[in-house]
Amino acid sequence: DAGVTQSPTHLIKTRGQQVTLRCSPKSGHDTVSWYQQALGQEPQFIFQYYEEEERQRGNFPDRFSGHQFPNYSSELNVNALLLGDSALYLCASRKQGSGNTIYFGEGSWLTVV
Amino acid sequence: AQSVTQLGSHVSVSEGALVLLRCNYSSSVPPYLFWYVQYPNQGLQLLLKYTTGATLVKGINGFEAEFKKSETSFHLTKPSAHMSDAAEYFCAVTNSGSARQLTFGSGTQLTVLP
Repeated sequence: DAGVTQSPTHLIKTRGQQVTLRCSPKSGHDTVSWYQQALGQEPQFIFQYYEEEERQRGNFPDRFSGHQFPNYSSELNVNALLLGDSALYLCASRKQGSGNTIYFGEGSWLTVV
Repeated sequence: AQSVTQLGSHVSVSEGALVLLRCNYSSSVPPYLFWYVQYPNQGLQLLLKYTTGATLVKGINGFEAEFKKSETSFHLTKPSAHMSDAAEYFCAVTNSGSARQLTFGSGTQLTVLP
């Protein structure tokens, strides 16, 4: 039973560029959330997707956008990268109505230079 | 609105000693509470969760936590620390409804001394 998988594990981008991060939820899960964890900080909620729609959004600018596909996998897109976007991006998944157990992936480390 | 406060950003214990990591929550609705562990350069691993029912929750690796509504607390304990327990621990809360957003505490770095 595969857990939450994310790709790539590490990447380096230049200021102003765009990045796409990918997530496959745990088997049987249909809801995906994204979190940003800056170095030394706690994770911060970006947004959640269910049934291919954004259901809730945290306090992040429109430069952060996402998508969920029919197979429940998800992408996080960040445009016009800033140095402050450097962080670990975590994907989490759960199954609606299953008791709210939320599982996280290993994350994608983004460095913006 | 929900929030969690973790008392003590750094906790050090000797190997074999009791581990106690503190978490207090604030929630206007019945909370769902979680403890996650994060090892260096890794993602978050679920240790245990409280949703409803029994207030003493047992998790993986010998950890347990007790939900105390009167004290709005959900402290994490382990009777005997191992060197492998050294990591960052996060307490998190979500509401009992849609569980759309986890709100994390600021984390507690646990050091285990030989």
